[in-house]
Amino acid sequence: NAGVTQTPKFRVLKTGQSMTLLCAQDMNHEYMYWYRQDPGMGLRLIHYSVGEGTTAKGEVPDGYNVSRLKKQNFLLGLESAAPSQTSVYFCATSGVLYEQYFGPGTRLTVT
Amino acid sequence: GQQVMQIPQYQHVQEGEDFTTYCNSSTTLSNIQWYKQRPGGHPVFLIQLVKSGEVKKQKRLTFQFGEAKKNSSLHITATQTTDVGTYFCAGPISSGSARQLTFGSGTQLTVLP
Repeated sequence: NAGVTQTPKFRVLKTGQSMTLLCAQDMNHEYMYWYRQDPGMGLRLIHYSVGEGTTAKGEVPDGYNVSRLKKQNFLLGLESAAPSQTSVYFCATSGVLYEQYFGPGTRLTVT
Repeated sequence: GQQVMQIPQYQHVQEGEDFTTYCNSSTTLSNIQWYKQRPGGHPVFLIQLVKSGEVKKQKRLTFQFGEAKKNSSLHITATQTTDVGTYFCAGPISSGSARQLTFGSGTQLTVLP
């Protein structure tokens, strides 16, 4: 039972490059979320999904796209990376008490 | 929009001293959750408070939900080096139907041995 996993753990991109972050969960949770965490700013919601085939925008969606083709996977895409997207990205799922379970994070640097 | 504020942003304590972090919401919350994030790690759910005036304890940690359900606190008695990390409070977005949470900016606790 791995819980929530994220790949990759680290990535360095050059401005303009694209990449996809993968989140996988084996908890059978419907709700999934992508956050970014920047120093002193807590966790900010990028996009979320309430079930397979659904996605919605969060607080800071610009520059990101998501897809939820399978219930257990939630993908976050950056089409044209910018230095402002340097951050730590966390995926999370929501449990029965609405508590959230986070993956280990992806540390992304855009140069 | 809904805001959740936390103070202090940073706290340094000597091992064995007590520590308290405070969380204030701009709106009434149906519940409040607390998370701990160790340095280099990910947030981990600690507890959820639901009732007005509720107090819950986990060993040396005491969590309180205000009577008006707009504020909360986390108190750690006799801190240990294992308590190091950032503590976040989070409340459901009032207009959200997808269990979205608004997180406070966190209190970073350093425990000096």
